Amino acid sequence: AQKITQTQPGMFVQEKEAVTLDCTYDTSDQSYGLFWYKQPSSGEMIFLIYQGSYDEQNATEGRYSLNFQKARKSANLVISASQLGDSAMYFCAIVLTGTASKLTFGTGTRLQVTL
Amino acid sequence: NAGVTQTPKFRILKIGQSMTLQCTQDMNHNYMYWYRQDPGMGLKLIYYSVGAGITDKGEVPNGYNVSRSTTEDFPLRLELAAPSQTSVYFCASSYSPGTAFTGNTIYFGEGSWLTVV
Repeated sequence: AQKITQTQPGMFVQEKEAVTLDCTYDTSDQSYGLFWYKQPSSGEMIFLIYQGSYDEQNATEGRYSLNFQKARKSANLVISASQLGDSAMYFCAIVLTGTASKLTFGTGTRLQVTL
Repeated sequence: NAGVTQTPKFRILKIGQSMTLQCTQDMNHNYMYWYRQDPGMGLKLIYYSVGAGITDKGEVPNGYNVSRSTTEDFPLRLELAAPSQTSVYFCASSYSPGTAFTGNTIYFGEGSWLTVV
């Protein structure tokens, strides 16, 4: 079975600085996708970025980029130029291709952006 | 843009009561899911469906039932509520990606906060 590990329960970053949120995964499948979601205090799940296992380039979406190291089975999220509105829980998740798009989530990292 | 709609948003149940969480999507998605999120944790899959008339268990199905009579609706039923079912419940839907998959194809509802006392 697949597994996601997020080892940072909480992180602090100063406004305008960059921050990296760690995510490692475990799967024996070769075809999979990795997601990052943001969950603000209001509770909704907001899709941030996606990386497919066969994508050769690291995914980027605005201020978000995914540092994908397949050999190390890591998919770290990098947020550049942090903003106060980035304060939230961040979840990494994996989906195996061909498994009805069922997501397996990590336990999350709470990011607090400070002035 | 409706997307995935869940009701109710908040509910307090007494132990042993039953209730149904409603979920509907207007995107003609084949795949639908129910997840639960306990405090400080990630989401765990309760049940999922790959199309009308087809449902299957996820990681934590005990104490729940689902049905999928239409493409749009995927209600989650709690038959005998227990304190352990106090959680936030998320419904989600996805199209059938086939062999191609992109990231922004799984859509979540806003969540339903359930407390069992």
